[in-house]
Amino acid sequence: AQKVTQAQTEISVVEKEDVTLDCVYETRDTTYYLFWYKQPPSGELVFLIRRNSFDEQNEISGRYSWNFQKSTSSFNFTITASQVVDSAVYFCALSEPLLNFGNEKLTFGTGTRLTIIP
Amino acid sequence: EPEVTQTPSHQVTQMGQEVILRCVPISNHLYFYWYRQILGQKVEFLVSFYNNEISEKSEIFDDQFSVERPDGSNFTLKIRSTKLEDSAMYFCASREPGLAGGPYETQYFGPGTRLLVL
Repeated sequence: AQKVTQAQTEISVVEKEDVTLDCVYETRDTTYYLFWYKQPPSGELVFLIRRNSFDEQNEISGRYSWNFQKSTSSFNFTITASQVVDSAVYFCALSEPLLNFGNEKLTFGTGTRLTIIP
Repeated sequence: EPEVTQTPSHQVTQMGQEVILRCVPISNHLYFYWYRQILGQKVEFLVSFYNNEISEKSEIFDDQFSVERPDGSNFTLKIRSTKLEDSAMYFCASREPGLAGGPYETQYFGPGTRLLVL
């Protein structure tokens, strides 16, 4: 069965510090996708990134970067120069194909609550 | 930018009452989902819907739950007789078809409906 582990329940850092959120996954599939979603205090889920299992290149988008390492089944997320607006719960998720090919569900980790202290 | 919308944003109901949660997916999307998040916990898959039928459902999605796409734009989740443990945030998500009709395109989430059963 698919599993996503986010071992860090809560992290607090002072503004402008860098912070890394860890995500470790388990899957038997050879093709899969990994995602990060942000859940701000208002409650919605905001898509941040999607990465497929064949692309291990790191990705950078502004202050955000992602490190995908298939050898360790990890997909970590780093925020550089953190800002108060980054305060949120961050979820890592793994796609799992359903019996009806062409469809899938997401398996979410338990989330990491990130608090940026001004 | 197109987005998934959900109504109502909050719903309070008495145990045993029926509730209908409404979602308007992004217009060119063909796959639809419901997830739920009990307060402080992770997001869990409930059901996926494609071509006017359920593709897959989780163990949570028992006979009290049903989904429908009544008019080609709305996508609804009905809970027939609510229980206290149904209190949660319910998220609707949608995605467009993947390459060759396959999965793994990004699921975009609505802002959620917070359901409280008293």
